[in-house]
Amino acid sequence: DGGITQSPKYLFRKEGQNVTLSCEQNLNHDAMYWYRQDPGQGLRLIYYSQIVNDFQKGDIAEGYSVSREKKESFPLTVTSAQKNPTAFYLCASSIPPTAQPQHFGDGTRLSIL
Amino acid sequence: SQQGEEDPQALSIQEGENATMNCSYKTSINNLQWYRQNSGRGLVHLILIRSNEREKHSGRLRVTLDTSKKSSSLLITASRAADTASYFCATDEAAGNKLTFGGGTRVLVKP
Repeated sequence: DGGITQSPKYLFRKEGQNVTLSCEQNLNHDAMYWYRQDPGQGLRLIYYSQIVNDFQKGDIAEGYSVSREKKESFPLTVTSAQKNPTAFYLCASSIPPTAQPQHFGDGTRLSIL
Repeated sequence: SQQGEEDPQALSIQEGENATMNCSYKTSINNLQWYRQNSGRGLVHLILIRSNEREKHSGRLRVTLDTSKKSSSLLITASRAADTASYFCATDEAAGNKLTFGGGTRVLVKP
């Protein structure tokens, strides 16, 4: 079955450490997205990519970085510059343009040690 | 910034009752989408309504869109315990190339 796989499901970060969240899709979608969700809140866009080797900042990109070297993969690095990284991170993909429905993974919950 | 704002923030109903939630937005849109999120899971797309449509149905779901009022509603008829989830609206702004999500409505359906 086609879908989006996020790993790990739970992740703990130490002070000053960078951590990378994985997102892989086998839906053959060109566009991929990273969102942050805080408890009881909606989703906020961190980064998005509409094609391989290209990505754009979303609304809250500071302290995060991404790469898009393969169509299937869009990893997110939470850097030590992100001072409040505790949140639920969701990856999504779609057929561009963004008018199309987005398919989501089951998220990674990041906490601070 | 949040384009869509859902109302109410939380809703508790008995199984078999209908659930209605509303979404308001600020700028012109190409389309509006509704998603469901079960606790601790990713979002699942429910329905998309385009800016030139006024009403759309999918099973027990009915969505309306009023572009003059910049608002949409989602109605779930004959609710079931399995409908317990958070529901989000998302707008595809006419001037942008990304979805903007609202804060969601948490729905509890009691058996």
